[in-house]
Amino acid sequence: GAVVSQHPSRVICKSGTSVKIECRSLDFQATTMFWYRQFPKQSLMLMATSNEGSKATYEQGVEKDKFLINHASLTLSTLTVTSAHPEDSSFYICSARTGGLDTQYFGPGTRLTVL
Amino acid sequence: KQEVTQIPAALSVPEGENLVLNCSFTDSAIYNLQWFRQDPGKGLTSLLLIQSSQREQTSGRLNASLDKSSGRSTLYIAASQPGDSATYLCAVDRTGTASKLTFGTGTRLQVTL
Repeated sequence: GAVVSQHPSRVICKSGTSVKIECRSLDFQATTMFWYRQFPKQSLMLMATSNEGSKATYEQGVEKDKFLINHASLTLSTLTVTSAHPEDSSFYICSARTGGLDTQYFGPGTRLTVL
Repeated sequence: KQEVTQIPAALSVPEGENLVLNCSFTDSAIYNLQWFRQDPGKGLTSLLLIQSSQREQTSGRLNASLDKSSGRSTLYIAASQPGDSATYLCAVDRTGTASKLTFGTGTRLQVTL
């Protein structure tokens, strides 16, 4: 149980384009989903927290207009990187938490490369 | 601001050895601490979660300890195997609601044959 999937697993795009990453909780309802970014050989940095049906809360230094987050249902959250640039190349990981507030369940990650 | 540090950054051991990974955090006001495993290019797998009131947790060959007052946790791996090769991350939860996790820098472990 408690499986989280991400799609795509890997994406390469040209600079200036937008990329959408999906995060789904497969066998549970996720009241809250989290988006992290991980640069090579660095740890995970929380980007934003999204609750179903409400606006995401962004961490300090994360541009909300650049990283659009939508959490329209209890099983799906999307992260759209708008006008991507090479410095946005990173590993993006989502996680989901149930209403039980026990722990976060992590997706397999999406490797974004912006050329 | 909570800072989480893991030492060593990388470790290579021969198969069969016991080993200890270290995690330290600057703010002892935490609710729990969790150890994760991350395989290359993959997401995170939770290994052990220790509540702030607990001293240790065990799962198979893994044992995690927590000394909240000194801001330290250790992950002990017994009889290491090549399949244990991965990056190990610790994370502290400062809210008690599994929301604001602060991750350490990770230890890259390689177990050789």
